[in-house]
Amino acid sequence: RKEVEQDPGPFNVPEGATVAFNCTYSNSASQSFFWYRQDCRKEPKLLMSVYSSGNEDGRFTAQLNRASQYISLLIRDSKLSDSATYLCVVNMDNTDKLIFGTGTRLQVFP
Amino acid sequence: EAGVTQFPSHSVIEKGQTVTLRCDPISGHDNLYWYRRVMGKEIKFLLHFVKESKQDESGMPNNRFLAERTGGTYSTLKVQPAELEDSGVYFCASSQFRGSGYTFGSGTRLTVV
Repeated sequence: RKEVEQDPGPFNVPEGATVAFNCTYSNSASQSFFWYRQDCRKEPKLLMSVYSSGNEDGRFTAQLNRASQYISLLIRDSKLSDSATYLCVVNMDNTDKLIFGTGTRLQVFP
Repeated sequence: EAGVTQFPSHSVIEKGQTVTLRCDPISGHDNLYWYRRVMGKEIKFLLHFVKESKQDESGMPNNRFLAERTGGTYSTLKVQPAELEDSGVYFCASSQFRGSGYTFGSGTRLTVV
């Protein structure tokens, strides 16, 4: 079983739509959680950290459910520029290793 | 501020040859990481330097891979001899403090033929 599981997609949505991605992680010792964005043939870039209380950054909302070991990312009012692969990433406090999911591909169309 | 720089951006080599990848972290970042993404798989950790010391090399696949960070500045990752399954994108990242945000380089795309 993979340590971080994501639906690979692709999710094809029209501009303005709301889209949600989910991610599950297997290691209950995981302490830090992130969503990264990766454009085609580019490096991953941190989109946002995910906190237990949930957090929002503009059109993006991230949620963490430790009991279910589940992380989500909600994108409202999708833009063409949101088209990318979204990577769910976790790590544990006793190590600096980031553990990546395979990513969920989003394509926003006009 | 310059970001994390990786060289070369692409490399095509024959099986059995040697390739050396280089990473220049952000100036002042003590922590340097190597990751790689093999086709169709997730990005996976290879190793972590703190200054010139290897903090964690648990992700290194085998002894054909050698990473160094002499002087605690830039790092090199040598693959010798390269095998077909080594093909992928090798990312370097750096951070100032442990647990702080990583900045990734744009990667080296390695193709072994």
